Amino acid sequence: DAGVTQSPTHLIKTRGQQVTLRCSPISGHKSVSWYQQVLGQGPQFIFQYYEKEERGRGNFPDRFSARQFPNYSSELNVNALLLGDSALYLCASSLLLGQGGPQYFGPGTRLLVL
Amino acid sequence: DQQVKQNSPSLSVQEGRISILNCDYTNSMFDYFLWYKKYPAEGPTFLISISSIKDKNEDGRFTVFLNKSAKHLSLHIVPSQPGDSAVYFCAASAPYSGGGADGLTFGKGTHLIIQP
Repeated sequence: DAGVTQSPTHLIKTRGQQVTLRCSPISGHKSVSWYQQVLGQGPQFIFQYYEKEERGRGNFPDRFSARQFPNYSSELNVNALLLGDSALYLCASSLLLGQGGPQYFGPGTRLLVL
Repeated sequence: DQQVKQNSPSLSVQEGRISILNCDYTNSMFDYFLWYKKYPAEGPTFLISISSIKDKNEDGRFTVFLNKSAKHLSLHIVPSQPGDSAVYFCAASAPYSGGGADGLTFGKGTHLIIQP
């Protein structure tokens, strides 16, 4: 079975632009979470979606938004990009919400904001 | 304030010996803990997890120990192999209360280097 897939793998944007990142979960997984990882830090939680509804949000500004589609894939949108948004954006999927099992991560999208 | 701490940025271990990676947490609501391994240019790979109702969980060469009173967990890798060289992240989560999920809270990672 395919793991979590993310697209694109790399992206370069300029300040003020908008970006959309995409994620397909493992088949059968209904929960998708998004994380931001900057150099030297662990991943930081942005959003969690389950059954197309937002179930959790981390400490990120309103410029960050996401949604989950009927096929459980997800998009993360970031508006008005800042230099500090340069990071690796990770998507993770899990079978259930909460602690029914681990989250499995995709390879990430590396975003560079110039 | 960091709720999950990995105080050793790096650790060097000889091939065949035991690697012990440590993690401390401050949030007493955390009750599910995970270890992930990450190679450069890849996403984190799940290794092993433990629930707070246990104090030990084993999976092959990997064993995780949980000391709830000390708010401390450790990952033991025996024997260490060259392919184990990677960054290891400790992560924790609190029960989903219905009021909102907080996702996983990660430490900063420990870079494990296995020397031949």
